[in-house]
Amino acid sequence: DIVMTQSPDSLAVSLGERATISCKSSQSISFSPNNKTYLAWYQQRPGQPPRLLIYWASTRESGVPDRFSGSGSGTDFTVTITSLQAEDVAVYYCQQYYSGPPSFGQGTKLEIK
Amino acid sequence: QGQLVQSGAEVKKPGASVKVACKASGYIFTSHGISWVRQAPGQGLEWMGWISIYNGYTMSAQKFQDRVSVTADKSTNTAYMELRSLRSDDTAIYYCARDGRVRTDDPEYFQGWGQGTLVTVSS
Repeated sequence: DIVMTQSPDSLAVSLGERATISCKSSQSISFSPNNKTYLAWYQQRPGQPPRLLIYWASTRESGVPDRFSGSGSGTDFTVTITSLQAEDVAVYYCQQYYSGPPSFGQGTKLEIK
Repeated sequence: QGQLVQSGAEVKKPGASVKVACKASGYIFTSHGISWVRQAPGQGLEWMGWISIYNGYTMSAQKFQDRVSVTADKSTNTAYMELRSLRSDDTAIYYCARDGRVRTDDPEYFQGWGQGTLVTVSS
């Protein structure tokens, strides 16, 4: 099974500043023949279910603000939030759907500094 | 985009079973698979199993293979997850989640989520 590891476990960023969360997979989750990377990012605010932010590593879900962006391929990925807003306080999870059971990173808690 | 509404909270004794319902609306139920993901208190997300509503094919995590059943009733647009032989460490919020793409052969990314169902296992 593919193991997903996020860093850091927690992060405090000032309002209006940039936040970057990393995610690493135990094996490549990019498939060359279709040029797709099988990675998604979710946001989970306190007391709420997760919300899809990004899929195929960099495609933003409809309705997600453009301050959220995803990048990476192979085994290394990031989600970046430019100009952090108060409503971005949440736990962020990466998830691979390349092979085997889907698996999530352990989560990164994002707070306001 | 559709909506998933789950059944209410449950309290069960160790050794019992629980069956959680997930009613879909606002999209073609047979077009998207549904996964079940759980979250223990203060912990991360754990995928449990998936059903292709289109053809009934199911998959489950090896950890739960002997204890979990994922089913669907197309006549009521409802998916179900049954977990048997409950233990105290099964206490968690259980979510259903809809696949983003139509008629996939495997679970992929999860575009819509239910509100969650708290299952408490306690003697």
